[in-house]
Amino acid sequence: NAGVTQTPKFRILKIGQSMTLQCTQDMNHNYMYWYRQDPGMGLKLIYYSVGAGITDKGEVPNGYNVSRSTTEDFPLRLELAAPSQTSVYFCASSYRGIKETQYFGPGTRLLVL
Amino acid sequence: SQKIEQNSEALNIQEGKTATLTCNYTNYSPAYLQWYRQDPGRGPVFLLLIRENEKEKRKERLKVTFDTTLKQSLFHITASQPADSATYLCALDMTNQGGKLIFGQGTELSVKP
Repeated sequence: NAGVTQTPKFRILKIGQSMTLQCTQDMNHNYMYWYRQDPGMGLKLIYYSVGAGITDKGEVPNGYNVSRSTTEDFPLRLELAAPSQTSVYFCASSYRGIKETQYFGPGTRLLVL
Repeated sequence: SQKIEQNSEALNIQEGKTATLTCNYTNYSPAYLQWYRQDPGRGPVFLLLIRENEKEKRKERLKVTFDTTLKQSLFHITASQPADSATYLCALDMTNQGGKLIFGQGTELSVKP
């Protein structure tokens, strides 16, 4: 199993540009999550999904959108990039939610200039 | 809202000693508390989960305690090794607020040979 994979590893965006961060898991997990981590800070939940077709907001959803059309994929969309979105983004998955281990991807480092 | 605080200062210890990391929370006690390890440039990796009705959990050289009266969890690494150097994150469930997980900012541990 590859576990949770994320692409790209690193990206530089200009202010106002858009991009999609990709996340795929091959563990047949129902729950998937997107977090951002700023330097010296903990992880902040952006969006999460409890299954295909179902998504919900986390702590910091503004400026982001998600979709979950399949169990495996959970892309995160930035529509109008802002410098405040410079961060490291982690995707995670778990089988039955927060009562169980979350498996994290390697992260995407995003720089908005 | 629920807040989590971990040792903000980095913890430096000598190889072979026991490292003790603290996770304090406010407000209601979570049903679950998890500890993760994060190495530089990588996603967090799950270590241990402890439930509110468990006072202590062990896994090899790791031990976690959960004191709902003090609203605190302690994470111990016995016989520490330089390979244990990493940032350690605690995470609490927010069952009262939709079942999301919130993370502390992490404590950086450095084990010197």
